[in-house]
Amino acid sequence: GNSVTQMEGPVTLSEEAFLTINCTYTATGYPSLFWYVQYPGEGLQLLLKATKADDKGSNKGFEATYRKETTSFHLEKGSVQVSDSAVYFCALSDQNYGGSQGNLIFGKGTKLSVKP
Amino acid sequence: ETGVTQSPTHLIKTRGQQVTLRCSSQSGHNTVSWYQQALGQGPQFIFQYYREEENGRGNFPPRFSGLQFPNYSSELNVNALELDDSALYLCASSFTKNTEAFFGQGTRLTVV
Repeated sequence: GNSVTQMEGPVTLSEEAFLTINCTYTATGYPSLFWYVQYPGEGLQLLLKATKADDKGSNKGFEATYRKETTSFHLEKGSVQVSDSAVYFCALSDQNYGGSQGNLIFGKGTKLSVKP
Repeated sequence: ETGVTQSPTHLIKTRGQQVTLRCSSQSGHNTVSWYQQALGQGPQFIFQYYREEENGRGNFPPRFSGLQFPNYSSELNVNALELDDSALYLCASSFTKNTEAFFGQGTRLTVV
């Protein structure tokens, strides 16, 4: 079945360091891909998304490109800040349920800690 | 415009009991999805309701059931609670079936 695999955490970086969180997926059809962020004590927030191959999603300095050939959607940021400390989840939409974004398959999450 | 709200925020139940969790969808949204997030794991899709009808279900047993009301708020019911049901339960609403899902802060359920 469809699945998402993302790099194990935790990831600890110094402020202004470059961030990469790897995400690969297995899916039939052509899923949409997402990155969600969960700050401590809060619900999930959509960070960015891409709906077809070669699309690049971007938001708040974060970017991810939908790579069909490598089935990947790696999250990157050029210069992280302390405020970026959170848990990041890669996800895909399960097209088997009619393609609704509400039916999401998540990775296990990667905890990012950014030190001043 | 209010966001997605869930109640209660925390609760503790005993194994074998039943629990009802509630979710108020964001204004104007007709679709609600429920997810279970075990500690250290990503959320897992339980089911989705669209205009009061179930519109897809994940790999959860029948003791997990739900309702959506005419105002599009929703309930998640779990019968015969097991220790492994301890998790954060997340509700997400969306304008309709194929649009962005907005998540609530979740209900932390502990089964003892």
